Amino acid sequence: AQSVTQLGSHVSVSEGALVLLRCNYSSSVPPYLFWYVQYPNQGLQLLLKYTSAATLVKGINGFEAEFKKSETSFHLTKPSAHMSDAAEYFCAVSGDQGAQKLVFGQGTRLTINP
Amino acid sequence: NAGVTQTPKFQVLKTGQSMTLQCAQDMNHEYMSWYRQDPGMGLRLIHYSVGAGITDQGEVPNGYNVSRSTTEDFPLRLLSAAPSQTSVYFCASSYSWTSGYEQYFGPGTRLTVT
Repeated sequence: AQSVTQLGSHVSVSEGALVLLRCNYSSSVPPYLFWYVQYPNQGLQLLLKYTSAATLVKGINGFEAEFKKSETSFHLTKPSAHMSDAAEYFCAVSGDQGAQKLVFGQGTRLTINP
Repeated sequence: NAGVTQTPKFQVLKTGQSMTLQCAQDMNHEYMSWYRQDPGMGLRLIHYSVGAGITDQGEVPNGYNVSRSTTEDFPLRLLSAAPSQTSVYFCASSYSWTSGYEQYFGPGTRLTVT
């Protein structure tokens, strides 16, 4: 069965610093991988997705993620944090049980310090 | 396009009451799903549908019922509400492999069962 582990339920960085949110997955078939962002009291918005094309995926708001099959990882990065990046971030995988059934990680809350 | 809409935004129920959470999408998406979000647990799939007339169970289906009579609508029914069903509920839709199965989420329904 598929699973997703997000390392760190809370991450705090200073404005302008590197953002790194970690995601490891397990899947018995080539996966689709997604990062979603959730701002307070809102739904989820897609940041970026990996669908077996380029291993380095660029998303919205300056975020990117690299698919590393050997490490079963899909970590999310942004070179310079902005106050508006404060939100909860979810990594999700699909594939094992059908490409449209998503399994989510538990989420990482990102705080940006001024 | 309105995208994915959900009603109501907030609801308080007493234990044992029933209700229906409404979800509609205007993007002609074939696939629709319901998730619940609980603190520290990410989103978990309740039920999903791959097209009108076809539904199936997800990870946490007990206590919930769904039907899909049209492409646009996918209501979620709570048969006899329990405090354990206090959660935020999200509906999502997606259309095809050409989109990498990207799922579009509604704004959510916050449900409290007392």
